[in-house]
Amino acid sequence: DAGITQSPRHKVTETGTPVTLRCHQTENHRYMYWYRQDPGHGLRLIHYSYGVKDTDKGEVSDGYSVSRSKTEDFLLTLESATSSQTSVYFCAISVDRDNSPLHFGNGTRLTVT
Amino acid sequence: AQSVTQLGSHVSVSEGALVLLRCNYSSSVPPYLFWYVQYPNQGLQLLLKYTTGATLVKGINGFEAEFKKSETSFHLTKPSAHMSDAAEYFCAVVGNSGYSTLTFGKGTMLLVSP
Repeated sequence: DAGITQSPRHKVTETGTPVTLRCHQTENHRYMYWYRQDPGHGLRLIHYSYGVKDTDKGEVSDGYSVSRSKTEDFLLTLESATSSQTSVYFCAISVDRDNSPLHFGNGTRLTVT
Repeated sequence: AQSVTQLGSHVSVSEGALVLLRCNYSSSVPPYLFWYVQYPNQGLQLLLKYTTGATLVKGINGFEAEFKKSETSFHLTKPSAHMSDAAEYFCAVVGNSGYSTLTFGKGTMLLVSP
């Protein structure tokens, strides 16, 4: 799986609690992404990073923050989880921004009750 | 701006039949186009991509796709379906400006019956 590890793989949390998802890569790729996948919506980009401490918002960034203090780690934080954030979250990496394919982790299934 | 439309959320074929999954895109700059496949409980895997050059692109597992600029399409085909092809397929587009990120379609679930 292109050296991408997402943790945890499954998490159940309560509304209003903070949650952090971790993505770790061993490929030393510059670009890292967080997507969420929901039935009928495909994958939607939450945030991405183009280097250490360099991040930008995606299509559905409200309610999420990210941090990248090391090349290999990209963290996604839900400051106060809501039921609408119940989803499967995928981390992906790529060499370049446009014509390089994305390599995906196996996902984190998050349930907010 | 860019977007992807995949026609049909579900497509059913018999084993051995032709597979055709449709993808139309819009992009304000020349596009790069991708097809990804997702098996249950896994992340997405790249099937094939079009960047420049030959418009007929061959991918893994016998799949291919043709970039048709005049029709803004990038349909995915396979001559003969196999049971193992049952999965969800995503078309994706990115403009080649260097300033955009990948946009995915909503996916098409391919069902293969014996």
